[in-house]
Amino acid sequence: DAKTTQPTSMDCAEGRAANLPCNHSTISGNEYVYWYRQIHSQGPQYIIHGLKNNETNEMASLIITEDRKSSTLILPHATLRDTAVYYCIVRAWGGNQFYFGTGTSLTVIP
Amino acid sequence: DTAVSQTPKYLVTQMGNDKSIKCEQNLGHDTMYWYKQDSKKFLKIMFSYNNKELIINETVPNRFSPKSPDKAHLNLHINSLELGDSAVYFCASNPGLAGNTGELFFGEGSRLTVL
Repeated sequence: DAKTTQPTSMDCAEGRAANLPCNHSTISGNEYVYWYRQIHSQGPQYIIHGLKNNETNEMASLIITEDRKSSTLILPHATLRDTAVYYCIVRAWGGNQFYFGTGTSLTVIP
Repeated sequence: DTAVSQTPKYLVTQMGNDKSIKCEQNLGHDTMYWYKQDSKKFLKIMFSYNNKELIINETVPNRFSPKSPDKAHLNLHINSLELGDSAVYFCASNPGLAGNTGELFFGEGSRLTVL
């Protein structure tokens, strides 16, 4: 069901930027890109979303390619608390379908 | 106050039993969901209700019956529990069609173990 592909796992040194890629080559014009993360076995947590422009909030930045077929979530200064599984989702605005893929397991190394 | 709360947090039961998991949200949202996360950590949508009406049913066995008495509650009843039902079940909500930013709010999960 998921329409995104992500690497299974990544490591990042503490204090460095973590760049998490996502491919969504079949994205439709009305679909947004959303990122969530799940720390340990807690409920997933919303991070950011965007349509075609780059977005930034207090948690992360989202870079979407011009053709919108891929995106990158950037955690500018990763901390140990950012160790989690990160999910990239595409969803039409106002739609109810939130399909999660397998996500990327990010480990931040001291 | 917890925005989306689920009870119980842990549930251990025998095969063949019937059990329920309750979910309540105090966010005033119109849409609620149930997700299942199995041992491989894959998070799969099961059901979605909008204002007490079923809008998504993802080919879940009919042993699973969601019930929404009002839009703040979405309970999950499971009949004749099987070993494969062991998983963490997450409830979630979002505002619904109006003003929907796409942010899902999840509960802390209910870990079901079937022996």
